[in-house]
Amino acid sequence: GQNIDQPTEMTATEGAIVQINCTYQTSGFNGLFWYQQHAGEAPTFLSYNVLDGLEEKGRFSSFLSRSKGYSYLLLKELQMKDSASYLCAVLGSARQLTFGSGTQLTVLP
Amino acid sequence: GAVVSQHPSRVICKSGTSVKIECRSLDFQATTMFWYRQFPKQSLMLMATSNEGSKATYEQGVEKDKFLINHASLTLSTLTVTSAHPEDSSFYICSAIRAGGPETQYFGPGTRLLVL
Repeated sequence: GQNIDQPTEMTATEGAIVQINCTYQTSGFNGLFWYQQHAGEAPTFLSYNVLDGLEEKGRFSSFLSRSKGYSYLLLKELQMKDSASYLCAVLGSARQLTFGSGTQLTVLP
Repeated sequence: GAVVSQHPSRVICKSGTSVKIECRSLDFQATTMFWYRQFPKQSLMLMATSNEGSKATYEQGVEKDKFLINHASLTLSTLTVTSAHPEDSSFYICSAIRAGGPETQYFGPGTRLLVL
């Protein structure tokens, strides 16, 4: 089975840095994705990690440790538009994504 | 780019009617498409995996006779909700994987279904 945990809500201040953690226990693993989803919209792709380590892409970075079943998404220089739900998703052996429940991030001025 | 469209974006129908939702990959070919359902304040739940030219694979608990999926071409998959009921009201989202490409799923904008 698949079990993916991430915090339900987080709050941070504009210009700050926030780290959203995700832990997973899955029967098959072919990589981990992070998606951003604004209310009422479809998810948009942020990052994909299949090997251990840090992937940096502009203000967003994502880290993976397969031995620990752990990933985080790091958002730097937060902007108001970053307020959204951030979804951690694990790619299983059948090319299927299993999503966590999402972390609702609120960026305050 | 990797653009996926869905049509319609929003639909309201009466209980007992059928609703068809189209998912198209606009600038790439997709051998595999996925259909998800998302209820308010919940995460995406995979309903089925749609492979071009073959029968869809449904997740446990999803009725294949109620949610008909057709993936007739490399750029189009359709989901038909048959005899819709109010409990089928939800946000339906499709995604597509580029044929021969990495495993990144690109999502359509979603279809909001309201069954009265």
